[in-house]
Amino acid sequence: EPEVTQTPSHQVTQMGQEVILRCVPISNHLYFYWYRQILGQKVEFLVSFYNNEISEKSEIFDDQFSVERPDGSNFTLKIRSTKLEDSAMYFCASSWGAETQYFGPGTRLLVL
Amino acid sequence: AQTVTQSQPEMSVQEAETVTLSCTYDTSENNYYLFWYKQPPSRQMILVIRQEAYKQQNATENRFSVNFQKAAKSFSLKISDSQLGDTAMYFCAFASTSGTYKYIFGTGTRLKVLA
Repeated sequence: EPEVTQTPSHQVTQMGQEVILRCVPISNHLYFYWYRQILGQKVEFLVSFYNNEISEKSEIFDDQFSVERPDGSNFTLKIRSTKLEDSAMYFCASSWGAETQYFGPGTRLLVL
Repeated sequence: AQTVTQSQPEMSVQEAETVTLSCTYDTSENNYYLFWYKQPPSRQMILVIRQEAYKQQNATENRFSVNFQKAAKSFSLKISDSQLGDTAMYFCAFASTSGTYKYIFGTGTRLKVLA
């Protein structure tokens, strides 16, 4: 069964450093998402991506964040200059449409 | 704006018993999807069950079923014959059928199944 994959599973970085989180969505899906979950809290929407452009972003998704789908398979989330409060689990998800999003296993980011 | 509320932060149930997790939501839309996701300690998000708002029939998946009350904007999850492996965080989520289909999650209910 196809699945969404994410790398790395864990990332530790210093405050102010850039990080890139990678995702490979399910191949025939059209919609791509990033969500964030701070430890012990709910899952929050960051950004959605469709037709090679951002279709919606939340207030969390400020100028420090960017997304790309550089080669038709990978979907990346870049945080330009990490802050302590960016420490969280980051989930990538993909879907064909509105029906069901399939989530990757997540990347646990720790900013020191 | 849509909101999703889960009013039970924690629940416990004896193995083999039945438990119901509550979820209410607010929306002005008529067509949408509702979901229950399970998050075990590994923190993977696993789809448990999905309900289309236009369907009156409640969704069921083996031991999992929902009670969908559209007028009341209520979407509860019933787990029958609870198993130790059901111990997890359960999130209710809403997705519109228009726009970007992003999910709006509730705050979750931590379910513990007791042996």
